[in-house]
Amino acid sequence: AQSVAQPEDQVNVAEGNPLTVKCTYSVSGNPYLFWYVQYPNRGLQFLLKYITGDNLVKGSYGFEAEFNKSQTSFHLKKPSALVSDSALYFCAVRDEANDYKLSFGAGTTVTVRA
Amino acid sequence: EAGVAQSPRYKIIEKRQSVAFWCNPISGHATLYWYQQILGQGPKLLIQFQNNGVVDDSQLPKDRFSAERLKGVDSTLKIQPAKLEDSAVYLCASSPTLVGYQETQYFGPGTRLLVL
Repeated sequence: AQSVAQPEDQVNVAEGNPLTVKCTYSVSGNPYLFWYVQYPNRGLQFLLKYITGDNLVKGSYGFEAEFNKSQTSFHLKKPSALVSDSALYFCAVRDEANDYKLSFGAGTTVTVRA
Repeated sequence: EAGVAQSPRYKIIEKRQSVAFWCNPISGHATLYWYQQILGQGPKLLIQFQNNGVVDDSQLPKDRFSAERLKGVDSTLKIQPAKLEDSAVYLCASSPTLVGYQETQYFGPGTRLLVL
């Protein structure tokens, strides 16, 4: 079975400060990891993914994520947060053992204050 | 390129009524997914199509939910009869080919359903 945990329901940061959204995963095979963002009344937008290769993945809107196999984590980061980054962030994982179905975490609400 | 289109955006019905949602995937995308997103939770896969065939419907409550993709392009998801616990956002997504580990799914804006 595969699962994704986002240990923080909410993250609050000041504009200009670093932003980190945490994600840990549990799969039986090789993990393939994704981050999506959801703005109010809109669908999920793809940010970035880790498939293989460099553990640091760069994505849209200045976001990046670091794959850490030993800690089974895939934390999302942004060096300097913007008010417009306020949204709901989802981590997702798939692996071969689960027929590559995308399994989502519960989401983390990010609020960036001016 | 145009994204995934869904309609309606909002729907309010009473329990035991029926409702249908429509999705038009990104042009050329062979794989189409329907997800249910209950408030406070991540999306949960209901059904996955490859062209007009069902690949996975293991989490679809088949006693009340049905879905079809007859011509391998757009799709409809139906609930009949609806229950209070069906209140959720129904998301449609598409990806270019048969699911592989590196495929990215692209999501539509969703249909927000409220069952009273």
